[in-house]
Amino acid sequence: ETGVTQSPTHLIKTRGQQVTLRCSSQSGHNTVSWYQQALGQGPQFIFQYYREEENGRGNFPPRFSGLQFPNYSSELNVNALELDDSALYLCASGPGLANEQYFGPGTRLTVT
Amino acid sequence: GESVGLHLPTLSVQEGDNSIINCAYSNSASDYFIWYKQESGKGPQFIIDIRSNMDKRQGQRVTVLLNKTVKHLSLQIAATQPGDSAVYFCAENFLTGNAGGTSYGKLTFGQGTILTVHP
Repeated sequence: ETGVTQSPTHLIKTRGQQVTLRCSSQSGHNTVSWYQQALGQGPQFIFQYYREEENGRGNFPPRFSGLQFPNYSSELNVNALELDDSALYLCASGPGLANEQYFGPGTRLTVT
Repeated sequence: GESVGLHLPTLSVQEGDNSIINCAYSNSASDYFIWYKQESGKGPQFIIDIRSNMDKRQGQRVTVLLNKTVKHLSLQIAATQPGDSAVYFCAENFLTGNAGGTSYGKLTFGQGTILTVHP
């Protein structure tokens, strides 16, 4: 186990709704990254938070946003959900910007 | 653009055999490579990593080889066990500068190789 936890485990939403996913980092880690993993694919980088600020972003639209809190936990928010947003959302924490990242179990989001 | 790909989408071996999973990458600027194991319903699990200034690194039953000349990465698993059955991903990590003057490490994953170990 990595010590990274995510909630909820599963979630079903309707197209157009908004969703918030949560992540608790491993103790001592100050970097949190979020990834989207479609079925049968590798994870795709969404963004990274470092010291409570977005520190880098992948090719995802602005309706994907996030927060990092002083205790380094993090949220991923997705507005105006689309069917293609159905995926496993993974959170990874790390001890710095250029080091290994440890993943949580993920949240399975289904958009109907 | 950058990409990381795998030569073999599936690999089936007998228990006790050695397994080799291959990966090709295209970004010569990547300075760090990681192998992850992902079991059904779980997040990717860190297996082993290697920096670009190395060509080999060994762990417990696993060895990663890096050939920068041909941009190739491989994971060798010795004495493969049924518990090794999973999807294996290689990922490359490189620091990207951002407008704020800092940098961030972004993992780029391949599609994965399904390893099945038969008892």
